[in-house]
Amino acid sequence: DIQMTQSPSSLSASVGDRVTITCRASQGISNSLAWYQQKPGKAPKLLLYAASRLESGVPSRFSGSGSGTDYTLTISSLQPEDFATYYCQQYYSTPTFGGGTKVEIK
Amino acid sequence: EVQLVESGGGLVQPGGSLRLSCAASGFTFSSYWMHWVRQAPGKGLVWVSRINSDGSSTSYADSVKGRFTISRDNAKNTLYLQMNSLRAEDTAVYYCARDAIVVVPAASLYYYYYYYMDVWGKGTTVTVSS
Repeated sequence: DIQMTQSPSSLSASVGDRVTITCRASQGISNSLAWYQQKPGKAPKLLLYAASRLESGVPSRFSGSGSGTDYTLTISSLQPEDFATYYCQQYYSTPTFGGGTKVEIK
Repeated sequence: EVQLVESGGGLVQPGGSLRLSCAASGFTFSSYWMHWVRQAPGKGLVWVSRINSDGSSTSYADSVKGRFTISRDNAKNTLYLQMNSLRAEDTAVYYCARDAIVVVPAASLYYYYYYYMDVWGKGTTVTVSS
């Protein structure tokens, strides 16, 4: 199985900050990467797929980039509703998720 | 509205069985592959199983292989997960999710296929404890 390593596991940030979360795959995954947001007690919500394609209805402050084994989720200006846990997921082979990044209020 | 609603969770003793259901609405269920994903308390997301659109092909995580069975009834727009020989470590919220695909043209008449999970249910809680 392809292992997905997310970093950091948690971060503290303020409203308006630029936030970057990284995800590294144990082998190349050819942009077969999705990002999800999960709030406590809620189901995951799709943010981006194919590494950089924004899901319909998701604010444009969310963006994704990367290639090969290394991928990044960026929130350009953190909003109060963005405090949540974020997961990457590869689907190049049998799906696997990263360990998650909890974004907390500073 | 596209919707997935899980049910069937509950408290079960180790070694017991449980069948989860996921009722789909608002889309053509029979056209989509489907997944089960679980999340243990305070932990991350873990993929459990996948089934193709007509139910003829399935796959499982090693941790549940031989114990869990995924199936579907396209006439009832319902996905199932039969869980046998349950263990304490199977305690989790179980989500069903819809598989999606986007096809992106590449050079020389090739195409890239990107898969992801675009619709999720709210989950059902399974607790395995004596």
